[in-house]
Amino acid sequence: DTAVSQTPKYLVTQMGNDKSIKCEQNLGHDTMYWYKQDSKKFLKIMFSYNNKELIINETVPNRFSPKSPDKAHLNLHINSLELGDSAVYFCASSPGTSGRAYEQYFGPGTRLTVT
Amino acid sequence: AQSVAQPEDQVNVAEGNPLTVKCTYSVSGNPYLFWYVQYPNRGLQFLLKYITGDNLVKGSYGFEAEFNKSQTSFHLKKPSALVSDSALYFCAVRVRAAGNKLTFGGGTRVLVKP
Repeated sequence: DTAVSQTPKYLVTQMGNDKSIKCEQNLGHDTMYWYKQDSKKFLKIMFSYNNKELIINETVPNRFSPKSPDKAHLNLHINSLELGDSAVYFCASSPGTSGRAYEQYFGPGTRLTVT
Repeated sequence: AQSVAQPEDQVNVAEGNPLTVKCTYSVSGNPYLFWYVQYPNRGLQFLLKYITGDNLVKGSYGFEAEFNKSQTSFHLKKPSALVSDSALYFCAVRVRAAGNKLTFGGGTRVLVKP
């Protein structure tokens, strides 16, 4: 009964390939996020969706495209992978965005290695 | 723009001693402040948050944090550290106008020695 789950947990691929990471939450939350954690453990938000609508889109290359088929799922597709994309990608969710300062619930992460 | 600074990359403490992890922030507006913990090869876990009210906030696993507006700080504390507290700790800030966007500090690794 994992609250926020991601697949795969590990992903090793070659430069130039296209890959996807899937995220699902069973908490009934309205908002989902993608974060990137680099090798120095620095954590930065990439995207956020609220009820399938994109609300946060940080300065991320166009090769990264999030897709939210419903509010329980937020997938991340990456085209033409580059060495610098190697990182751990975390999905997170929260009840909403407005008003209260909701804490976010994080998935276990997907370690992407581009060779 | 909002930012968070965690001035210490690592904090070493003996088991049973008090633990403090420092965090300062910079925002325009009233901040919402959070602490998260990350154990090896795991996602982040929420510890506590400050929204408004009492400056001393109590959270999970015996942790607490004190909001100090004049010093723009939100230090995390635990009176008696355990070896199992060894992990990576992140402070984060959110400003209401930014939706629910969290800006994280660089993280502080805590090592509690037996």
